[in-house]
Amino acid sequence: DAKTTQPNSMESNEEEPVHLPCNHSTISGTDYIHWYRQLPSQGPEYVIHGLTSNVNNRMASLAIAEDRKSSTLILHRATLRDAAVYYCILGNYQLIWGAGTKLIIKP
Amino acid sequence: DSGVTQTPKHLITATGQRVTLRCSPRSGDLSVYWYQQSLDQGLQFLIQYYNGEERAKGNILERFSAQQFPDLHSELNLSSLELGDSALYFCASSVRAGDSTDTQYFGPGTRLTVL
Repeated sequence: DAKTTQPNSMESNEEEPVHLPCNHSTISGTDYIHWYRQLPSQGPEYVIHGLTSNVNNRMASLAIAEDRKSSTLILHRATLRDAAVYYCILGNYQLIWGAGTKLIIKP
Repeated sequence: DSGVTQTPKHLITATGQRVTLRCSPRSGDLSVYWYQQSLDQGLQFLIQYYNGEERAKGNILERFSAQQFPDLHSELNLSSLELGDSALYFCASSVRAGDSTDTQYFGPGTRLTVL
Protein backbone atom coordinates (compact mmCIF):
# COMPACT_ATOMS: atom_id res chain seq x y z
CA ASP A 1 0.00 0.00 0.00
CA ALA A 2 1.11 3.53 -0.69
CA LYS A 3 2.92 5.30 2.11
CA THR A 4 1.40 8.63 1.11
CA THR A 5 -2.13 9.98 0.87
CA GLN A 6 -3.22 12.45 -1.80
CA PRO A 7 -6.60 13.78 -2.95
CA ASN A 8 -7.88 11.97 -6.03
CA SER A 9 -8.33 15.17 -8.02
CA MET A 10 -8.07 18.93 -7.84
CA GLU A 11 -9.15 21.75 -10.11
CA SER A 12 -7.53 25.10 -10.58
CA ASN A 13 -7.80 28.07 -12.89
CA GLU A 14 -5.11 28.83 -15.41
CA GLU A 15 -2.43 31.29 -14.29
CA GLU A 16 -3.32 30.85 -10.64
CA PRO A 17 -1.16 29.14 -7.99
CA VAL A 18 -1.87 25.51 -7.20
CA HIS A 19 -1.16 23.81 -3.91
CA LEU A 20 -1.12 20.01 -4.07
CA PRO A 21 -1.12 18.36 -0.62
CA CYS A 22 0.39 15.05 0.45
CA ASN A 23 0.20 13.31 3.81
CA HIS A 24 2.93 10.93 4.90
CA SER A 25 2.41 10.40 8.61
CA THR A 26 4.69 7.33 8.81
CA ILE A 27 7.68 9.03 7.22
CA SER A 28 11.08 8.15 8.69
CA GLY A 29 13.94 10.53 9.36
CA THR A 30 15.86 9.41 6.29
CA ASP A 31 12.95 9.50 3.85
CA TYR A 32 13.21 12.10 1.14
CA ILE A 33 9.91 13.31 -0.32
CA HIS A 34 9.76 13.08 -4.11
CA TRP A 35 7.18 14.48 -6.50
CA TYR A 36 6.68 13.24 -10.02
CA ARG A 37 4.02 14.07 -12.57
CA GLN A 38 2.62 12.14 -15.49
CA LEU A 39 1.23 14.04 -18.43
CA PRO A 40 -1.33 12.25 -20.59
CA SER A 41 0.18 9.41 -22.63
CA GLN A 42 3.66 10.02 -21.26
CA GLY A 43 5.95 8.47 -18.68
CA PRO A 44 6.21 10.08 -15.26
CA GLU A 45 8.72 12.88 -14.93
CA TYR A 46 10.61 14.08 -11.89
CA VAL A 47 9.42 17.38 -10.45
CA ILE A 48 11.21 18.00 -7.17
CA HIS A 49 12.40 16.36 -3.96
CA GLY A 50 13.41 17.45 -0.47
CA LEU A 51 14.17 16.26 3.06
CA THR A 52 13.38 18.98 5.57
CA SER A 53 13.79 22.46 4.14
CA ASN A 54 11.56 23.96 1.53
CA VAL A 55 12.93 23.51 -1.98
CA ASN A 56 12.55 25.48 -5.18
CA ASN A 57 13.39 24.69 -8.77
CA ARG A 58 12.33 25.93 -12.16
CA MET A 59 9.24 23.73 -12.17
CA ALA A 60 7.82 24.10 -8.68
CA SER A 61 8.32 24.63 -4.97
CA LEU A 62 8.09 22.02 -2.24
CA ALA A 63 6.94 23.07 1.19
CA ILE A 64 7.59 20.50 3.93
CA ALA A 65 5.84 20.69 7.28
CA GLU A 66 8.03 21.06 10.34
CA ASP A 67 7.05 17.59 11.61
CA ARG A 68 7.52 16.22 8.04
CA LYS A 69 4.19 14.41 8.18
CA SER A 70 2.91 16.39 5.22
CA SER A 71 4.16 18.35 2.27
CA THR A 72 2.74 20.60 -0.43
CA LEU A 73 3.80 20.92 -4.03
CA ILE A 74 3.29 24.47 -5.24
CA LEU A 75 2.91 25.41 -8.88
CA HIS A 76 3.21 29.15 -8.80
CA ARG A 77 1.30 29.89 -11.97
CA ALA A 78 -0.44 26.89 -13.47
CA THR A 79 -0.79 26.59 -17.23
CA LEU A 80 -2.83 24.15 -19.27
CA ARG A 81 0.38 22.17 -19.80
CA ASP A 82 0.51 21.45 -16.06
CA ALA A 83 -2.61 19.28 -16.30
CA ALA A 84 -1.32 15.88 -15.19
CA VAL A 85 -1.39 13.28 -12.44
CA TYR A 86 0.95 14.31 -9.63
CA TYR A 87 2.52 11.63 -7.47
CA CYS A 88 4.03 12.13 -4.02
CA ILE A 89 6.51 9.32 -3.23
CA LEU A 90 8.71 8.63 -0.22
CA GLY A 91 12.34 8.02 -1.12
CA ASN A 92 12.67 4.78 0.82
CA TYR A 93 9.51 3.47 -0.88
CA GLN A 94 10.08 4.63 -4.41
CA LEU A 95 8.71 1.40 -5.78
CA ILE A 96 5.28 2.03 -4.29
CA TRP A 97 3.19 4.40 -6.36
CA GLY A 98 -0.27 5.44 -5.24
CA ALA A 99 -3.00 6.80 -7.50
CA GLY A 100 -1.73 10.39 -7.28
CA THR A 101 -3.75 13.58 -7.72
CA LYS A 102 -5.25 14.36 -11.09
CA LEU A 103 -4.83 18.10 -11.60
CA ILE A 104 -7.38 19.73 -13.89
CA ILE A 105 -6.60 23.21 -15.16
CA LYS A 106 -9.52 25.33 -16.29
CA PRO A 107 -8.84 27.98 -18.93
CA ASP B 1 13.51 14.04 -23.10
CA SER B 2 14.56 12.01 -20.05
CA GLY B 3 17.40 10.22 -21.83
CA VAL B 4 15.75 6.83 -21.31
CA THR B 5 14.78 5.09 -24.53
CA GLN B 6 12.28 2.30 -24.99
CA THR B 7 11.51 0.21 -28.04
CA PRO B 8 9.17 -0.50 -29.61
CA LYS B 9 6.74 2.33 -29.01
CA HIS B 10 3.73 0.19 -29.87
CA LEU B 11 3.30 -3.57 -30.03
CA ILE B 12 0.23 -5.47 -31.13
CA THR B 13 0.20 -9.22 -30.76
CA ALA B 14 -2.08 -12.17 -30.15
CA THR B 15 -2.85 -14.18 -27.05
CA GLY B 16 -0.34 -16.90 -26.33
CA GLN B 17 2.51 -15.08 -28.03
CA ARG B 18 5.82 -13.86 -26.57
CA VAL B 19 7.26 -10.36 -26.85
CA THR B 20 10.42 -8.57 -25.75
CA LEU B 21 10.51 -4.94 -24.66
CA ARG B 22 13.81 -3.11 -24.64
CA CYS B 23 15.08 -0.26 -22.49
CA SER B 24 18.27 1.79 -22.60
CA PRO B 25 18.94 3.76 -19.43
CA ARG B 26 20.37 7.25 -19.21
CA SER B 27 24.11 7.41 -19.61
CA GLY B 28 25.72 6.69 -16.25
CA ASP B 29 22.63 5.21 -14.61
CA LEU B 30 23.15 1.79 -13.08
CA SER B 31 19.59 0.89 -12.07
CA VAL B 32 16.74 -0.05 -14.38
CA TYR B 33 13.14 -0.43 -13.21
CA TRP B 34 10.15 -1.89 -15.05
CA TYR B 35 6.57 -0.82 -14.37
CA GLN B 36 3.19 -1.82 -15.78
CA GLN B 37 0.34 0.67 -16.08
CA SER B 38 -3.06 -0.64 -17.13
CA LEU B 39 -5.70 1.71 -18.48
CA ASP B 40 -6.42 4.52 -16.01
CA GLN B 41 -4.52 2.69 -13.29
CA GLY B 42 -1.49 3.56 -11.24
CA LEU B 43 2.01 2.32 -11.81
CA GLN B 44 2.69 -1.25 -10.70
CA PHE B 45 6.32 -2.00 -10.02
CA LEU B 46 7.54 -5.19 -11.66
CA ILE B 47 11.28 -5.53 -11.15
CA GLN B 48 14.52 -3.59 -10.63
CA TYR B 49 18.05 -4.39 -11.76
CA TYR B 50 21.17 -2.72 -10.46
CA ASN B 51 24.43 -3.10 -12.36
CA GLY B 52 23.32 -6.38 -13.87
CA GLU B 53 21.88 -7.97 -10.74
CA GLU B 54 18.26 -8.26 -9.69
CA ARG B 55 17.72 -5.77 -6.89
CA ALA B 56 14.02 -5.81 -6.09
CA LYS B 57 10.99 -7.69 -7.27
CA GLY B 58 7.37 -6.60 -7.27
CA ASN B 59 4.24 -8.44 -8.37
CA ILE B 60 5.83 -9.74 -11.53
CA LEU B 61 4.07 -12.73 -13.03
CA GLU B 62 6.00 -15.95 -13.60
CA ARG B 63 5.26 -15.55 -17.32
CA PHE B 64 7.33 -12.37 -17.26
CA SER B 65 11.10 -12.19 -16.92
CA ALA B 66 13.74 -9.53 -17.29
CA GLN B 67 17.47 -9.10 -17.42
CA GLN B 68 20.05 -6.34 -17.52
CA PHE B 69 22.99 -6.78 -19.83
CA PRO B 70 26.65 -5.76 -19.35
CA ASP B 71 26.05 -2.57 -21.33
CA LEU B 72 23.25 -1.86 -18.82
CA HIS B 73 20.36 -2.01 -21.25
CA SER B 74 17.48 -4.16 -20.09
CA GLU B 75 14.88 -6.38 -21.68
CA LEU B 76 11.49 -7.41 -20.35
CA ASN B 77 10.18 -10.67 -21.76
CA LEU B 78 6.44 -11.36 -21.64
CA SER B 79 5.28 -14.84 -22.63
CA SER B 80 1.99 -16.72 -22.99
CA LEU B 81 0.35 -13.37 -23.34
CA GLU B 82 -3.21 -12.84 -22.14
CA LEU B 83 -5.71 -10.09 -22.90
CA GLY B 84 -5.13 -8.67 -19.42
CA ASP B 85 -1.47 -8.05 -20.19
CA SER B 86 -2.47 -5.18 -22.46
CA ALA B 87 -0.97 -2.11 -20.82
CA LEU B 88 1.69 0.55 -20.96
CA TYR B 89 5.08 -0.73 -19.86
CA PHE B 90 7.48 1.87 -18.56
CA CYS B 91 11.15 1.59 -17.95
CA ALA B 92 12.94 3.96 -15.59
CA SER B 93 16.57 4.37 -14.64
CA SER B 94 18.45 5.93 -11.75
CA VAL B 95 22.03 6.57 -10.87
CA ARG B 96 22.24 4.39 -7.79
CA ALA B 97 20.47 1.37 -6.35
CA GLY B 98 17.37 3.28 -5.29
CA ASP B 99 18.30 4.94 -2.03
CA SER B 100 16.13 7.68 -0.62
CA THR B 101 17.75 10.44 -2.66
CA ASP B 102 17.75 8.56 -5.94
CA THR B 103 15.57 9.98 -8.70
CA GLN B 104 13.93 7.81 -11.33
CA TYR B 105 13.90 8.95 -14.95
CA PHE B 106 11.20 7.35 -17.06
CA GLY B 107 11.13 6.39 -20.70
CA PRO B 108 8.18 7.11 -23.01
CA GLY B 109 6.77 3.62 -22.55
CA THR B 110 5.77 0.73 -24.78
CA ARG B 111 2.08 0.28 -25.39
CA LEU B 112 1.28 -3.42 -25.61
CA THR B 113 -2.02 -4.53 -27.08
CA VAL B 114 -2.91 -8.22 -26.89
CA LEU B 115 -5.75 -9.27 -29.20
